[in-house]
Amino acid sequence: AQRVTQPEKLLSVFKGAPVELKCNYSYSGSPELFWYVQYSRQRLQLLLRHISRESIKGFTADLNKGETSFHLKKPFAQEEDSAMYYCALDEYGNKLVFGAGTILRVKS
Amino acid sequence: EAGVAQSPRYKIIEKRQSVAFWCNPISGHATLYWYQQILGQGPKLLIQFQNNGVVDDSQLPKDRFSAERLKGVDSTLKIQPAKLEDSAVYLCASSQYSGGPTGELFFGEGSRLTVL
Repeated sequence: AQRVTQPEKLLSVFKGAPVELKCNYSYSGSPELFWYVQYSRQRLQLLLRHISRESIKGFTADLNKGETSFHLKKPFAQEEDSAMYYCALDEYGNKLVFGAGTILRVKS
Repeated sequence: EAGVAQSPRYKIIEKRQSVAFWCNPISGHATLYWYQQILGQGPKLLIQFQNNGVVDDSQLPKDRFSAERLKGVDSTLKIQPAKLEDSAVYLCASSQYSGGPTGELFFGEGSRLTVL
């Protein structure tokens, strides 16, 4: 079965510090991977997708097929980055499998 | 554009009672999903519709859960009879998916169910 693992339930950093949210996956084919974010009192929404190789709100994520990882990174955390982050794998046909999520808390 | 609408936002019932959740997707979105999110876990797909046909319902507990999408627009998810372990947030999402991967699902605010 395809799986997405986010090993940290909570990541707490100081403002201005680098952030790395970990995501590992198991998938037999070519994976399509995404990061979704849920800010306080807001809906779950797409942050970025690996296929676009984009940077959104200063966040980037690189797909490492050798390590089966898709970690989310940001060089300098901001307080507004505090949220719940979910890594997700598209199995096929836009069917997303989500990890358990990591709470990012950015302290001032 | 208007987002995905869900109702009710909150529902408290006793075990063995029934409950229904409603979802109105973004206009023009062909694909509609129901996810179950238990506290501390990520969303788990229950059922996926493409227009008014079921694409995947492999994780839907069919002895107690049912879902329909009439006319390829609105959808209803029903639980009958409810169990304690059904306490969760039920998320509806929609996407424009029509054959190619896009990965962007648009989520509603969710319906929080508490079963006592």
